[in-house]
Amino acid sequence: DARVTQTPRHKVTEMGQEVTMRCQPILGHNTVFWYRQTMMQGLELLAYFRNRAPLDDSGMPKDRFSAEMPDATLATLKIQPSEPRDSAVYFCASGLNSNQPQHFGDGTRLSIL
Amino acid sequence: KQEVTQIPAALSVPEGENLVLNCSFTDSAIYNLQWFRQDPGKGLTSLLLIQSSQREQTSGRLNASLDKSSGRSTLYIAASQPGDSATYLCAVSFITQGGSEKLVFGKGTKLTVNP
Repeated sequence: DARVTQTPRHKVTEMGQEVTMRCQPILGHNTVFWYRQTMMQGLELLAYFRNRAPLDDSGMPKDRFSAEMPDATLATLKIQPSEPRDSAVYFCASGLNSNQPQHFGDGTRLSIL
Repeated sequence: KQEVTQIPAALSVPEGENLVLNCSFTDSAIYNLQWFRQDPGKGLTSLLLIQSSQREQTSGRLNASLDKSSGRSTLYIAASQPGDSATYLCAVSFITQGGSEKLVFGKGTKLTVNP
């Protein structure tokens, strides 16, 4: 079965450090989403790419977060500098189009001390 | 602003029982509605996707209905099994003014099926 792969699965670091999370979408999928999940807020959309172009990143704090797709097989989400409130599980999902379900990776569990 | 609410937040039932999970949304201008399952420490798995023009979708023991005008959806699970234990999330998709797609999630219903 094709899967969305996220690395690392877990990350613990001190505040102020740069964090980079990576995602390999399913081959052939042209849409990629980044989500953040916390107990308080639930699942929130951070950014959304179609054909590697960012379509919507309104859910992302612009001052410290950045999302890119250097090529069709890699999406990255960076936080610099990281803060304790960024602690959450970050999910990447990919899909074919709006009428098809999104396929989720297993997430990166991020803890900022 | 689109908001999605799921009730109850948690549900515990004995094995074999039929059950219904509820989802409501505030803005009926949706593109589609999806039900997902999330197991602990895992990502989400799509169970059913209902287009805005459809009323229901079925997959095995699962049946999801959609009433757009009232802003409601239900997920019916027949003959529940311990393996159905997970958190079930509802999400609505809509197209923003800028033309991009947004998926808004409820906070989920944590289901426990006791053997």
